[in-house]
Amino acid sequence: DQQVKQNSPSLSVQEGRISILNCDYTNSMFDYFLWYKKYPAEGPTFLISISSIKDKNEDGRFTVFLNKSAKHLSLHIVPSQPGDSAVYFCAASEATSGTYKYIFGTGTRLKVLA
Amino acid sequence: NAGVMQNPRHLVRRRGQEARLRCSPMKGHSHVYWYRQLPEEGLKFMVYLQKENIIDESGMPKERFSAEFPKEGPSILRIQQVVRGDSAAYFCASSPQSIYNEQFFGPGTRLTVL
Repeated sequence: DQQVKQNSPSLSVQEGRISILNCDYTNSMFDYFLWYKKYPAEGPTFLISISSIKDKNEDGRFTVFLNKSAKHLSLHIVPSQPGDSAVYFCAASEATSGTYKYIFGTGTRLKVLA
Repeated sequence: NAGVMQNPRHLVRRRGQEARLRCSPMKGHSHVYWYRQLPEEGLKFMVYLQKENIIDESGMPKERFSAEFPKEGPSILRIQQVVRGDSAAYFCASSPQSIYNEQFFGPGTRLTVL
């Protein structure tokens, strides 16, 4: 049972344009969501997070949007840069229930073309 | 401030041997998590530990796998009598005490079972 889904395994975007990565979840108890970036042979690196009391969080070029009714979140990267090319994972947890574990999606491979 | 450290980075074992993976959390972090990533998949939660306590091991296989986080020293993930299906990347993460703090990941240990 895949509780967190990233339905696009890959995405190609031109440098300078917007990258939009999507993530859907099924567990309505999830209340904390994160995006991680991963390069080959490295561990995931935290990018941005959002709690369920918000619908948007912004940090520089990265913005995460949360639509609780649709159980959907998205990561916007504007403008996209070649260094953004990596695999992006969304993750979710039931933070307020004291469960610290993250449930990860399967990842989306982003390629930013110069 | 050093990040999460894992060793070894690569580990090769023959079927039936034991694998021992080590993780030193970031300074000041009291929570440790282990995740496993199989090829072309997302990260799967295995176990969550605090010093001398296993808090949640719901993702750990019932047999052959064990984890500890002693009062002194690193956290250890131990896999006894390894099989080919154990070949994967094993990531350790750590976080401070607050539930809304992100987990910081180490570079991972890539286990290959021959």
